[in-house]
Amino acid sequence: DVKVTQSSRYLVKRTGEKVFLECVQDMDHENMFWYRQDPGLGLRLIYFSYDVKMKEKGDIPEGYSVSREKKERFSLILESASTNQTSMYLCASSSTSGIDHYNEQFFGPGTRLTVL
Amino acid sequence: EDQVTQSPEALRLQEGESSSLNCSYTVSGLRGLFWYRQDPGKGPEFLFTLYSAGEEKEKERLKATLTKKESFLHITAPKPEDSATYLCAAHPGYSSASKIIFGSGTRLSIRP
Repeated sequence: DVKVTQSSRYLVKRTGEKVFLECVQDMDHENMFWYRQDPGLGLRLIYFSYDVKMKEKGDIPEGYSVSREKKERFSLILESASTNQTSMYLCASSSTSGIDHYNEQFFGPGTRLTVL
Repeated sequence: EDQVTQSPEALRLQEGESSSLNCSYTVSGLRGLFWYRQDPGKGPEFLFTLYSAGEEKEKERLKATLTKKESFLHITAPKPEDSATYLCAAHPGYSSASKIIFGSGTRLSIRP
């Protein structure tokens, strides 16, 4: 059974703190993604990675960074948390089969982050 | 600009009352159209991928169809457990590494 796990379901942090969100997949997928989901705004891509140590900015990368040192693990870092980063954070992974044939994304359960 | 629009935003049905959810897309060179189901407080769960116009896929009470401009998710004789938010997403032809565009979803509620 495919699995994407996230380090925390709920997290409460204070403004200015450095926050680490971790994601692990056990499917040997090449691609991993971080999204945030807010009411009325849908899913927005923060960063994605298509290989170890490779990363690309998504639509809203400001205030975030990422790290992918191992294929199965993709971390999202909030360098200095702010209240407008309160959101549901979702990690996903997908495989690439053949040239330019990208498959569906599998999502983790999400981390609800509150920044006070 | 590439865009994915879902309608309606919310839909309330009686148990057994069939209906359809719409996903309209304007995406250059569509490579795939995905449907997901999301329950409250959880991550989206993959349902279907459609690749070309005319393609159809079914799973239990759900059937997804694709044309050149839109996709429909048909729900036949729904049950209360089908209540969820349904998301569609499109993969543009130019996009690198699986970057896909999500719609904002349709919240489906089935009354017993």
